[in-house]
Order: sequence, then C-alpha cells, then structure tokens
Amino acid sequence: KQEVTQIPAALSVPEGENLVLNCSFTDSAIYNLQWFRQDPGKGLTSLLLIQSSQREQTSGRLNASLDKSSGRSTLYIAASQPGDSATYLCAVTRGNEKLTFGTGTRLTIIP
Amino acid sequence: GAVVSQHPSRVICKSGTSVKIECRSLDFQATTMFWYRQFPKQSLMLMATSNEGSKATYEQGVEKDKFLINHASLTLSTLTVTSAHPEDSSFYICSARTDDYGYTFGSGTRLTVV
Repeated sequence: KQEVTQIPAALSVPEGENLVLNCSFTDSAIYNLQWFRQDPGKGLTSLLLIQSSQREQTSGRLNASLDKSSGRSTLYIAASQPGDSATYLCAVTRGNEKLTFGTGTRLTIIP
Repeated sequence: GAVVSQHPSRVICKSGTSVKIECRSLDFQATTMFWYRQFPKQSLMLMATSNEGSKATYEQGVEKDKFLINHASLTLSTLTVTSAHPEDSSFYICSARTDDYGYTFGSGTRLTVV
C-alpha cells in the first residue's frame, strides 16, 4: 500500500526567504506526482505535475523535483510571499487510479 | 485548461432533506470524476469514483444509498446527499483527471445540515 509522507507538517518563515517542502512515498512505481495548494475553506489548486519520466518542473517561483528511485520529491519556493501561506499537498498516482495524498505541510509566511 | 466547476459553494439544509452538488468539466470531457470529503484540518478522503454511463465505485465504508452519484454526461457528475443529518456536514470536493494537467479539483462545497 502506497504511503506518502510530508515533512515538515508545519513551517513558518519570514517573507522573502527561500524554502523547501519535502514529500516521500513508499512505492516508486508511480505514474506521476502532483503538488497542490489548499487555502482554508477552498478546493485544491494544482501547482505542478511531474510525469514519472521527468525529473523536475518549474512554474514561476516554484520548482518541483522528482527522484523515483529514492521515493522523494521536493517543492522549492523562491522569494516567499505572504500569499504563499497555505497547506501544500503532494499526491501520487499509478495511472488512471485514485490519488494517494501526502499528509500535508501547513506553510505560514510571516510579513 | 482543465477547469472543473463545482456548485454550490455553500449550502445549508434541514435535517432529513436532500442536497445535490454539481461538478462540471468546463473545457474537457471527463469520463471519470472523483468525489472527496474533507473534515476540518484533515486530508481529503475519497468517497467514490464516478464513471460516465455506469455505476459509481464507492470506497469501503461509504454508503452508496446515502451518497447518490450520477454521471450522465461527459461533463457533469452530481453527488446527492440523501436524508441529510448533521453528521453529514462537511466539505465535499470533486475532481477530474486529464493526461496533460493531471488531477483538477473543484472549489468545494461546504454543506451544513441543521
């Protein structure tokens, strides 16, 4: 059974700092990995999708890497802003099957 | 691309009544949609997988007679909470998947049963 863990569970950093969120999964036979953010009381917003054949994806200040062999992914956020405060979730899937979500990291950017 | 629209965003209903939540794929066709439930400060719990033109597949422990799912077209799936009770109060979110964008989620529905 796939298990996805995110470390840390919560993180507070001053505005402007760069930060890294970690995601680890136990079964490396994944089809893709996706990072989401969720604001309180809202749905999930997709941030980055990494196919299993890819090693990283970038969008603006966000960069996500994937190392299937070690079962790890990182989400790098550059020059953090208060608007980045949210809960960040990674999730993996084995093709057209249900997502397995990580435990989440609650990020707070301090102005 | 790959936008999922969910309505209503909030609904309050009386105990014993039924509530319908709609999930539409706006710019793509979704043969499969997923319905989740989320409790405060917890991760999403998959309730069921909705398949266009066929019966939904429910996760273990989810009452299919209480949570009716209909996926009559390639762009619309509905979740009906029947005979709602206060313990059904929760945040419900739908999702669909595309090859290019992965999983896309609706904005969620906050259901309060009074």
